[in-house]
Amino acid sequence: DQQVKQNSPSLSVQEGRISILNCDYTNSMFDYFLWYKKYPAEGPTFLISISSIKDKNEDGRFTVFLNKSAKHLSLHIVPSQPGDSAVYFCAARGGGSQGNLIFGKGTKLSVKP
Amino acid sequence: EAQVTQNPRYLITVTGKKLTVTCSQNMNHEYMSWYRQDPGLGLRQIYYSMNVEVTDKGDVPEGYKVSRKEKRNFPLILESPSPNQTSLYFCASSPIPGGLTEAFFGQGTRLTVV
Repeated sequence: DQQVKQNSPSLSVQEGRISILNCDYTNSMFDYFLWYKKYPAEGPTFLISISSIKDKNEDGRFTVFLNKSAKHLSLHIVPSQPGDSAVYFCAARGGGSQGNLIFGKGTKLSVKP
Repeated sequence: EAQVTQNPRYLITVTGKKLTVTCSQNMNHEYMSWYRQDPGLGLRQIYYSMNVEVTDKGDVPEGYKVSRKEKRNFPLILESPSPNQTSLYFCASSPIPGGLTEAFFGQGTRLTVV
């Protein structure tokens, strides 16, 4: 049973517009959420994170929003740039000793010039 | 430079021929892990290790072995590879995982079993 769901396998946006990548989770014990970005032929790299005590975290063009009651989070990229084209993975972990990250299937973002 | 290094990057092998994919990290991290990435399935954890001589199964451990004799190394062993183990493999490391601790990933190993 999938605990972290990214229901959109792909997303295409125009350069300069907003990209919104969504992630849903089923395990109410998850308290920490991380987004990773992956380019072809490279390993995933950490992008941004949020803990359940916050509903928003911002880092430059990237903002993650968390709606804990809906078990939903989203990554906003504004403005989108062609270099943002990559696969984005949402990951979650529980509190305490539940340290392993559980990953979603990923969303492939294409930003067109 | 802080990094996780996997070798080889690409490997084509035949069914049943034992192989090892090496993973090494230079960040003195306690935790190391192996994932496989398959189309439509995302990243699935194979095995992980919380420290030297401590290993545990992830979500898809069948057909794989690991060892953690030294803190920096965490090899992935396929004793008798089969075609369904054709995949893209990633090694990752981090300090003891928890909270917002991020994992650092290697460049990946693309394995093809024919």
